[in-house]
Amino acid sequence: GENVEQHPSTLSVQEGDSAVIKCTYSDSASNYFPWYKQELGKGPQLIIDIRSNVGEKKDQRIAVTLNKTAKHFSLHITETQPEDSAVYFCAASWDSGSARQLTFGSGTQLTVLP
Amino acid sequence: EAQVTQNPRYLITVTGKKLTVTCSQNMNHEYMSWYRQDPGLGLRQIYYSMNVEVTDKGDVPEGYKVSRKEKRNFPLILESPSPNQTSLYFCASRHLGGANEKLFFGSGTQLSVL
Repeated sequence: GENVEQHPSTLSVQEGDSAVIKCTYSDSASNYFPWYKQELGKGPQLIIDIRSNVGEKKDQRIAVTLNKTAKHFSLHITETQPEDSAVYFCAASWDSGSARQLTFGSGTQLTVLP
Repeated sequence: EAQVTQNPRYLITVTGKKLTVTCSQNMNHEYMSWYRQDPGLGLRQIYYSMNVEVTDKGDVPEGYKVSRKEKRNFPLILESPSPNQTSLYFCASRHLGGANEKLFFGSGTQLSVL
């Protein structure tokens, strides 16, 4: 099955700096890579996703890049703000023909220091 | 408001005492799933369902049961809870088919088994 590794497990940045979280996956058949943000006391929420036919995707201050050859993808947050503090999960999945099953990374606790 | 509702939010029980965590969604989603979240392990899938009366095992199904008698409800049953099932549990749902693969998560159930 798929295995997703996520680094770092914790990340502290100064407000206004950039943050980068990296993930690697094992199954070359994976073709969908979402990122979820979990705020304290809440369930994860999708913030951005990318498919394997695209190398980069941006949405305001967040961007995701994908390197299929190396089997890794990254989340980039620019101009970080205190409200970006949360746990971030990457995930990978492939279309099994029935329904996609996501395999999640172990999570990154991001703290933005004021 | 579109949402996934889990109950209870917090539950403390003792080894061997059967319990049920309820999950309900109001978005007419075909797909529903249960995850457990443990430190350093991320989100691991327990069971999922693609429609009424259709359920299947995820990555960590041992010790759990589910049922899908109605489209909106997907309860998680622990027939004989053990301390290693102490965890944070999330129910999630989404539509099947189409380009939107966003998973909607509930707010979580923190379970402690003594």
